[in-house]
Amino acid sequence: AAGVIQSPRHLIKEKRETATLKCYPIPRHDTVYWYQQGPGQDPQFLISFYEKMQSDKGSIPDRFSAQQFSDYHSELNMSSLELGDSALYFCASSWVSAGEQFFGPGTRLTVL
Amino acid sequence: GNSVTQMEGPVTLSEEAFLTINCTYTATGYPSLFWYVQYPGEGLQLLLKATKADDKGSNKGFEATYRKETTSFHLEKGSVQVSDSAVYFCALPSFGNEKLTFGTGTRLTIIP
Repeated sequence: AAGVIQSPRHLIKEKRETATLKCYPIPRHDTVYWYQQGPGQDPQFLISFYEKMQSDKGSIPDRFSAQQFSDYHSELNMSSLELGDSALYFCASSWVSAGEQFFGPGTRLTVL
Repeated sequence: GNSVTQMEGPVTLSEEAFLTINCTYTATGYPSLFWYVQYPGEGLQLLLKATKADDKGSNKGFEATYRKETTSFHLEKGSVQVSDSAVYFCALPSFGNEKLTFGTGTRLTIIP
């Protein structure tokens, strides 16, 4: 069965650089979520999209933005990167009426 | 808002031992409850879920029962294996939307 695809899997950036993370949800899923997991931490919700519209926003810094495109893939754009942005970034998708979220393998971002 | 309190870790057990990881929740209404597992270096995988009170979720020998009277969703397995070594997260959706709130995670190590 198709799963959530995230790219890249690993990304190394310098401070103050920008990064773009991509997420391809499971086909026919209408909702995408982004989570950030710091080292040894639980995942924290960043932002979500339902049918290409932002549906909820969590603790996402103003330096970050995201969108969902017409093909339902989503991108998380991160600017002015800081050392503290180093984390594992997960994308999850769901068919909202089912409630169950399926997670991608994550993108590990390292900021040097 | 909805929240979960999860048993502190880490937990170290011998192979074939009985496992319990405690999870209690605070919620408005009766949301679905989830256990996710994160194997070393991998993303989050849904282990099991329960959608209403007294439901029992089960998968790979793990079980958890949605207990309304004690607001609990404890994870159990009768005989653990080395391959069960991972971090386990209890989770539930926030009231009014679907973003997940996770517990702090319990790192489980099984020794042969």
